[in-house]
Amino acid sequence: AQTVTQSQPEMSVQEAETVTLSCTYDTSESDYYLFWYKQPPSRQMILVIRQEAYKQQNATENRFSVNFQKAAKSFSLKISDSQLGDAAMYFCAYRQYGSSNTGKLIFGQGTTLQVKP
Amino acid sequence: KAGVTQTPRYLIKTRGQQVTLSCSPISGHRSVSWYQQTPGQGLQFLFEYFSETQRNKGNFPGRFSGRQFSNSRSEMNVSTLELGDSALYLCASSLELLDNEQFFGPGTRLTVL
Repeated sequence: AQTVTQSQPEMSVQEAETVTLSCTYDTSESDYYLFWYKQPPSRQMILVIRQEAYKQQNATENRFSVNFQKAAKSFSLKISDSQLGDAAMYFCAYRQYGSSNTGKLIFGQGTTLQVKP
Repeated sequence: KAGVTQTPRYLIKTRGQQVTLSCSPISGHRSVSWYQQTPGQGLQFLFEYFSETQRNKGNFPGRFSGRQFSNSRSEMNVSTLELGDSALYLCASSLELLDNEQFFGPGTRLTVL
């Protein structure tokens, strides 16, 4: 069974600084997607960034980028120039691709990010 | 375009009762998934529906059930509520079953007393 692990329950960063959130996963599949979702307090979960496993190039979305290490099964999120609005719980998620024919997401336990002014 | 809506937003029930939660996906979306979020267990997959058919089910007891209607709206039902069912129930929709982006609703906060 696939699992996703986020080993950092809480992280903090100074405004305008850079922070990296860690995520590791376990799967025997070769085709899958990885995601980072952001859940602000009492607000809806939104997709931050996604990575297709078959792509070697790391995904980037403005201030957000990932470091995808397929062999190490590692998928970290880097937030540059942190802003107060980045404060939230961040979830790493895995989705199998291909024959499984499902959109089911497997989530990590989450990392709460605090941004200090 | 309206986002995913979930009703009710908050619900308080007592043990043994049953509850029905509703999810209206984004217009045009045909796939709906449900997740349970608790501090202890995190986010866990409940069900997935596409074209009124349950495509996948998580590891939850039979007290948890769901369905999807022809307009893609979905409901989930929990019978014989237990204290441990207290959670935030999230619904997510996507255009198709295997779309890369699922849009989440605000959730229904269920408290079981």
